[in-house]
Amino acid sequence: DAGVIQSPRHEVTEMGQEVTLRCKPISGHNSLFWYRQTMMRGLELLIYFNNNVPIDDSGMPEDRFSAKMPNASFSTLKIQPSEPRDSAVYFCASGTGTVIETQYFGPGTRLLVL
Amino acid sequence: AQSVTQLGSHVSVSEGALVLLRCNYSSSVPPYLFWYVQYPNQGLQLLLKYTSAATLVKGINGFEAEFKKSETSFHLTKPSAHMSDAAEYFCAVSALGGYNKLIFGAGTRLAVHP
Repeated sequence: DAGVIQSPRHEVTEMGQEVTLRCKPISGHNSLFWYRQTMMRGLELLIYFNNNVPIDDSGMPEDRFSAKMPNASFSTLKIQPSEPRDSAVYFCASGTGTVIETQYFGPGTRLLVL
Repeated sequence: AQSVTQLGSHVSVSEGALVLLRCNYSSSVPPYLFWYVQYPNQGLQLLLKYTSAATLVKGINGFEAEFKKSETSFHLTKPSAHMSDAAEYFCAVSALGGYNKLIFGAGTRLAVHP
């Protein structure tokens, strides 16, 4: 089975540009998470979807960040406009939707904003 | 609020030696606890999880962890380190909120020397 798929794996952009990160969860999973990992702040949950509906977006840093899940097999995280402090590794994870579920992580997108 | 503290950001052991990675948690209710491993340039992978069944939990790759309520600890151990165990290890607790919202520790980077 294919795991969680993320694209692109690496992104380099200039400050002010729009960035779109993509995620394909594992088929049959109904929960999806977006995380950000930095040296300073560690792993932070940005947003959680269940059955394509955003349930908890309290971790989204500001209005420049938005996330969508138009269907069960695709999600995007968009940053507009991007800033250097957004440089991080962004992970998508999916799970079966139970309280003790295992979250399956994708390989991440390494974003560098110049 | 739930939280985890990982003691030691870096641990170094010799190949064949005991691995001990420390994790202490804070929770107002019986917690669900997890250990994840992150290999270089990869996403996180579940090693094991405690869900209140058995206090000694066995995971993949020979790792195990023991839940000790009196010490609020969930330390990760492996009897004999292998070079392939070199990675970053994250302890996490499931926060209250109706879904598996993971609160991650800062991580411990394990180095294994020949």
